Amino acid sequence: EAQVTQNPRYLITVTGKKLTVTCSQNMNHEYMSWYRQDPGLGLRQIYYSMNVEVTDKGDVPEGYKVSRKEKRNFPLILESPSPNQTSLYFCASRFIGAEGGYTFGSGTRLTVV
Amino acid sequence: AQSVTQPDIHITVSEGASLELRCNYSYGATPYLFWYVQSPGQGLQLLLKYFSGDTLVQGIKGFEAEFKRSQSSFNLRKPSVHWSDAAEYFCAVAINTGGFKTIFGAGTRLFVKA
Repeated sequence: EAQVTQNPRYLITVTGKKLTVTCSQNMNHEYMSWYRQDPGLGLRQIYYSMNVEVTDKGDVPEGYKVSRKEKRNFPLILESPSPNQTSLYFCASRFIGAEGGYTFGSGTRLTVV
Repeated sequence: AQSVTQPDIHITVSEGASLELRCNYSYGATPYLFWYVQSPGQGLQLLLKYFSGDTLVQGIKGFEAEFKRSQSSFNLRKPSVHWSDAAEYFCAVAINTGGFKTIFGAGTRLFVKA
């Protein structure tokens, strides 16, 4: 089954404790992206990657890091999480031509206390 | 600046009634256009898309959308709503920035009355 798999689904952590949210896709998509979803703000892009070893900042990249060492994986790293990073996070992937639209993961609900 | 506007934060319709969700975009050319649906606790699922050709497009779950270039709109419709359609709906556009950036609207939450 074609899918984007994110883990974990739920995570509670403390301020400053490094964490990684994993994302993997099995559709051979070149383009992968991380979004955060906050009430009233819709989805905002954090980082994206157009291919292996090619990453770039989205609209809200502060406090986040990503890497793309393999085509299928695109982990999101919070090196020193803060409470304002409490949010619902989605990984999404698509082919480089955007006309096919995204496939989204199921989301990771992160709470930073 | 490019933007996507969904004017209705939430809409309530009765089961069996028709539905129209509005979406307007601001962009100098015709972008790729999408509607996604998000059920509670789930990720977003692609309902339908438009990038060229017939301006009335059919999607999954009985939804359709019409692209109107003159109004920069891409409204989503369904002739008869089912209780299972209660969800949040996002309009999105993909614009050519050298890598096709996708911009999402803020979403419209649909409530369905029995």
